[in-house]
Amino acid sequence: KAGVTQTPRYLIKTRGQQVTLSCSPISGHRSVSWYQQTPGQGLQFLFEYFSETQRNKGNFPGRFSGRQFSNSRSEMNVSTLELGDSALYLCASTGTSGYGEQFFGPGTRLTVL
Amino acid sequence: DQQVKQNSPSLSVQEGRISILNCDYTNSMFDYFLWYKKYPAEGPTFLISISSIKDKNEDGRFTVFLNKSAKHLSLHIVPSQPGDSAVYFCAASATNYGQNFVFGPGTRLSVLP
Repeated sequence: KAGVTQTPRYLIKTRGQQVTLSCSPISGHRSVSWYQQTPGQGLQFLFEYFSETQRNKGNFPGRFSGRQFSNSRSEMNVSTLELGDSALYLCASTGTSGYGEQFFGPGTRLTVL
Repeated sequence: DQQVKQNSPSLSVQEGRISILNCDYTNSMFDYFLWYKKYPAEGPTFLISISSIKDKNEDGRFTVFLNKSAKHLSLHIVPSQPGDSAVYFCAASATNYGQNFVFGPGTRLSVLP
C-alpha cells in the first residue's frame, strides 16, 4: 500500500506570494491533517479534514487555509507569505474510521525569502 | 502554554541498554497518546499508541507506560540499537476533539555502539 505523498518536496517563495501544497493520503484513509514543523515550535497542528469537511482547526491565522476533495486528497494554501512561514509542512492521514494513529508524509520544505 | 512536554531535549544510551523517554501532559481531557520517531528529512513514523483505558502497551522492543494520575507517559526501548537514534515525539489527543494531536517538542535519542 502506497504511503502518504506530498508535493512538492521543496519550495522557495518570496514574501507576499501565495503557495499551495498537496497531499495524497493512504488509499482508503478519509482524514487528513496538516502540521507545521519549525525548529523553535516543534509540530504545530494546522487543521484536519474528514470527508471534505474541516473537522478541527489549530491556532493559525486565516492566511492558512485548506480543502479536501472527494478522493480524500487535500491541499493547503498559504497566502501573503511571511518569512516566519518558512517551515516543514507535514501532512498525515488516518485510517478508515477517521480516528487513531496518523501516518505522515515526508513533508514539503517551504522557504520564504 | 505547552500542553505536552518532553523535558529532556536529548538522551544518550549505550547499545543494548534500555532507553527511557518521558512525556508529561497537562490537559486531563487527553485520552489517547502516540509515540513517533523521526529521522532527518523524513516525516514522523508511528511507533506505538496507548489509550487511557490501559496503563501499558507493548510492541516488540517498544513499551509505553501511562500513569494517568501523574499525567505522565514513558516509552521504553529494550534493547536499544544504533538504528533507534532519532528524534522521538509524544503526541496526545482528546478523542472527542477528533484528530487534533498536540505534539511534544521531541527528545533526540542517540544510541552509542
